[in-house]
Amino acid sequence: QSALTQPRSVSGSPGQSVTISCTGTSSDVGTYNFVSWYQQHPGKAPKLMIYDVSERPSGVPHRFSGSKSGHTASLTISGLQAEDEAEYYCCSYAGSYTWVFGGGTKVTVL
Amino acid sequence: QLQLQESGPGLVKPSETLSLTCTLSGGSITSGDYFWGWIRQPPGKGLEWVGSLFYTGTSYYNPSLKTRVTSSVDTSKNQFSLKLSSVTAADTAVYFCVRLVFRGGNYFDPWGPGIQVTVSS
Repeated sequence: QSALTQPRSVSGSPGQSVTISCTGTSSDVGTYNFVSWYQQHPGKAPKLMIYDVSERPSGVPHRFSGSKSGHTASLTISGLQAEDEAEYYCCSYAGSYTWVFGGGTKVTVL
Repeated sequence: QLQLQESGPGLVKPSETLSLTCTLSGGSITSGDYFWGWIRQPPGKGLEWVGSLFYTGTSYYNPSLKTRVTSSVDTSKNQFSLKLSSVTAADTAVYFCVRLVFRGGNYFDPWGPGIQVTVSS
């Protein structure tokens, strides 16, 4: 069970869009539509932003969206805002009641 | 609204057993719609799923930790617990307890605030 692969960092100016990729294998992302995304500000607990690839929980801004193609899931933040600066983690179900996370991506708002 | 709170020693000696408890408020641990779980985060690093359990005691663990982890549920106290044996410095981390939704979705929410556990003599 290897960690999902995410870019270490992405950045954008306010109002721009950024996309974070999350690459797995046929054992996780490629097989299951159970990818979730979490936002973590320093010193805080992670917060659910997207689940089941593209579903957005109530209260999460519409500028956050998710998608998947093959073994790679993506989180897009459209209309980047200062408060979006945080670490983002993807997570996938990996079968047999196990889960695997990505290494995390630091989003910087320029 | 469900809230989770971790508790336990913040310092554990190498080779000893780390023991943590998660207490629920605003919800019941016996709900058949959820699993309960632990996720940890070493300092400056990413998240790692540790394990998940159902209120009946059925549990699943990260293969890399499986030989050292056990978990249990105390329905009378609305709590679940984690034990990690033979700890080393590599087990130093913030440990979060979580609710795992697996019906009508597959995700971890909510999360407890986390508890820092340091392994050191």
